[in-house]
Amino acid sequence: DAGITQSPRHKVTETGTPVTLRCHQTENHRYMYWYRQDPGHGLRLIHYSYGVKDTDKGEVSDGYSVSRSKTEDFLLTLESATSSQTSVYFCAIRGTGTEAFFGQGTRLTVV
Amino acid sequence: QQQVKQSPQSLIVQKGGISIINCAYENTAFDYFPWYQQFPGKGPALLIAIRPDVSEKKEGRFTISFNKSAKQFSLHIMDSQPGDSATYFCAASKTGANNLFFGTGTRLTVIP
Repeated sequence: DAGITQSPRHKVTETGTPVTLRCHQTENHRYMYWYRQDPGHGLRLIHYSYGVKDTDKGEVSDGYSVSRSKTEDFLLTLESATSSQTSVYFCAIRGTGTEAFFGQGTRLTVV
Repeated sequence: QQQVKQSPQSLIVQKGGISIINCAYENTAFDYFPWYQQFPGKGPALLIAIRPDVSEKKEGRFTISFNKSAKQFSLHIMDSQPGDSATYFCAASKTGANNLFFGTGTRLTVIP
């Protein structure tokens, strides 16, 4: 699992509430990513980080924000959750080359 | 639009048979093509990857075939086993870029 821990693993929340997902890595990788996985879409990049306090948008960033105050932690925040954000969220890190390694995922349900 | 198109959506193969999953891409700048394997409740795990300077890469029972002119690549699983039953994703990226573009996945079932 490349030393990646995601928390929580499962969460149910109500529409309109803020939600924060956490990704923690133990191997000091510079690049970290948040993807969402939905049937019929594969995995799509939400945001990524290339260092502490350095982040940028991916292809489906609307409604999401991220923060990285320490190398090991990358947080994904849904400011006001909507039903369309019900998904499985994966954190990933980039290895020494181009390869990406994924965490176990967080299943988020917005009701 | 989908940067990488994957087919079939699902595949059923007898034990010992060959599983073949196909992907196609449009962006000729892509130069890194990995395949991921995902079991239920788990994250995708890197299985094998290829760059366009070779037409084939083999690791154990898993082979990637790459056709640069057709902009297609495929995963072949030889001697398929029930333990190979999983969802497989192809992906593509450009070296130095920060996005892996994924296919929509293929659910493989290997029947004993």
